[in-house]
Amino acid sequence: DTGVSQDPRHKITKRGQNVTFRCDPISEHNRLYWYRQTLGQGPEFLTYFQNEAQLEKSRLLSDRFSAERPKGSFSTLEIQRTEQGDSAMYLCASSPSGEETQYFGPGTRLLVL
Amino acid sequence: SQQGEEDPQALSIQEGENATMNCSYKTSINNLQWYRQNSGRGLVHLILIRSNEREKHSGRLRVTLDTSKKSSSLLITASRAADTASYFCATDWYSSASKIIFGSGTRLSIRP
Repeated sequence: DTGVSQDPRHKITKRGQNVTFRCDPISEHNRLYWYRQTLGQGPEFLTYFQNEAQLEKSRLLSDRFSAERPKGSFSTLEIQRTEQGDSAMYLCASSPSGEETQYFGPGTRLLVL
Repeated sequence: SQQGEEDPQALSIQEGENATMNCSYKTSINNLQWYRQNSGRGLVHLILIRSNEREKHSGRLRVTLDTSKKSSSLLITASRAADTASYFCATDWYSSASKIIFGSGTRLSIRP
């Protein structure tokens, strides 16, 4: 296993469309995180899973955003009715229990036209 | 909102020189981490320092932590072109054992 993978790497969509991103964490990492990063800023926490349970959600995660991790392995982040302000890099990270270090994927860059 | 703020926002130095970046944060922490991000890519963990530690080394990296001033510094010695990247400090969130909060980053450029 070579690390956290994310798919797609880039996504261009029109305003109002729905998009879904996938994250495959490092095997046996039971913690999974989603972040959003805009140009010139640090990553902002969106949500966190421990196994299949979504334990925390940021207020940034409006009702248009939903994340799942149905079997405690891969996760999906869906954005409904995309807006231009959703344009950003979406980063996924994973970590094993008891370890503070997070291992990041390459990100999915979203552009909403 | 972001817990940490890095200073300076941008830094340009000659290859071979040392680079120092600072991070200030607002609330009590259990640990502080530094991450590096190359242009347009994911973040890579560099080093973690716990609240009961004052200094830590890893290769060419030296991190200090002053909990009384709520600040940390990252020193990169003998910089190389490959060190060109953005550097972020990240602190754990007091009310959450798993969540970390990133600062806005320092963009480091190494001139050949």
